[in-house]
Formats: sequence, structure tokens, C-alpha cells
Amino acid sequence: AQSVTQLDSQVPVFEEAPVELRCNYSSSVSVYLFWYVQYPNQGLQLLLKYLSGSTLVKGINGFEAEFNKSQTSFHLRKPSVHISDTAEYFCAVTYAGNNRKLIWGLGTSLAVNP
Amino acid sequence: EAGVAQSPRYKIIEKRQSVAFWCNPISGHATLYWYQQILGQGPKLLIQFQNNGVVDDSQLPKDRFSAERLKGVDSTLKIQPAKLEDSAVYLCASTLQGGVTEAFFGQGTRLTVV
Repeated sequence: AQSVTQLDSQVPVFEEAPVELRCNYSSSVSVYLFWYVQYPNQGLQLLLKYLSGSTLVKGINGFEAEFNKSQTSFHLRKPSVHISDTAEYFCAVTYAGNNRKLIWGLGTSLAVNP
Repeated sequence: EAGVAQSPRYKIIEKRQSVAFWCNPISGHATLYWYQQILGQGPKLLIQFQNNGVVDDSQLPKDRFSAERLKGVDSTLKIQPAKLEDSAVYLCASTLQGGVTEAFFGQGTRLTVV
């Protein structure tokens, strides 16, 4: 079955350190890839997306992600995190032809400590 | 542009009672989703509409949950009767074009069943 795996449920990191949140998907067919962020007690909002073109995608708040087709991965990175980046991060994938259904990972909780 | 509107924001009901949630998507968005998000978990798709037709309701507990999107615009999700395990945040999202384009989320309705 098509799925999305976020490899880390929790990532603690110190402020100004780099961070990588990992996401793998299950199929090598055409995909559309998304990272969403959910700040405490708020709704979900889009961080960045990959639909086609350049495999390095830049999003809001200094985040970027790289689409790696051979490794079926779409890891999220930020070179220097802030306290305000503390949030839940969700990777989501749409597989081509799958009724355009968005499949969600279970989320990674990023805790940025001073 | 106005975002996805949901109401109410909070609801507390007793088990076996019924409850209804309302969602008004972004104007022109053909695809509407209802998600259930239990604390600490990712969004779980309950139902996906394309205009006023159902695309996917495979994870909707149809013995107690129902949803409609008359006229292909706003939508209601109903639970009758509610169970304790239905306590969650119910998120509505809309997209212009299925899972290929960005999903915009409402603030959600936090349901507590006591």
C-alpha cells in the first residue's frame, strides 16, 4: 500500500543548530510532495511543495527540502532553527492516479530549546 | 482571499449525543476534505469531495458519521451518536485541484465527548 513514513517522531534541537526532518514515501511512481507545519493550537499551513522541476525546493521561514527519487525521500532541512520553529511537521504525498488523495505521515515534533 | 471557515471552534457533548460541524471552503476550490486529528497524531482523512460528489469515504465510520456537500460549496459533517473516542480536532481543508495543489486548512473544531 502507498504510504508515507516520517522516521523521527520527536526531534529535540538547540536554537541556531541545523535540523533535518526525514520523510520517505513508498512508491517510485510520479508523486507530488508537501511539508506542512502545525504550530501549537493552530491549523496546518503549507511550508513547501514539490510538483516538478528543480529537486531542491525552498519554502517559508528558511526551510528547504530535497526530492530524491532514487531514495524515495523528501527530507526537510533548516540550517539554523529558532525557538519559534517549535511545532509539529507533517510530510504528505499525493501519488499520481490515486484519485489525487493526499497521504499523510504521522508527524515529527520539533522542539527547539534555548 | 478569505480562508477556509469552520464552525464551531469548540464543542463539548455527552456520549450518545449528536453534533454537526460546518465548513465553507475557499471560493472556487473544487476539492474539500474532512480530517480527524487525534491529539499527537497526523490528520486522518474521513471524506474527500470533488464538487458535490464523494471521491473517497473509505475511512468514514458510516454507522455514525455522515457528510454532505450540497451544491458543491459548503459542507457539513455529522456524528450521531458520538462516542468517547470521537474526541478530536476535526479539520476541513480545500484545494483547487485535488491533492496536486496546496491544501488550505481551517482552524478546526475541537470536539470533546464526555
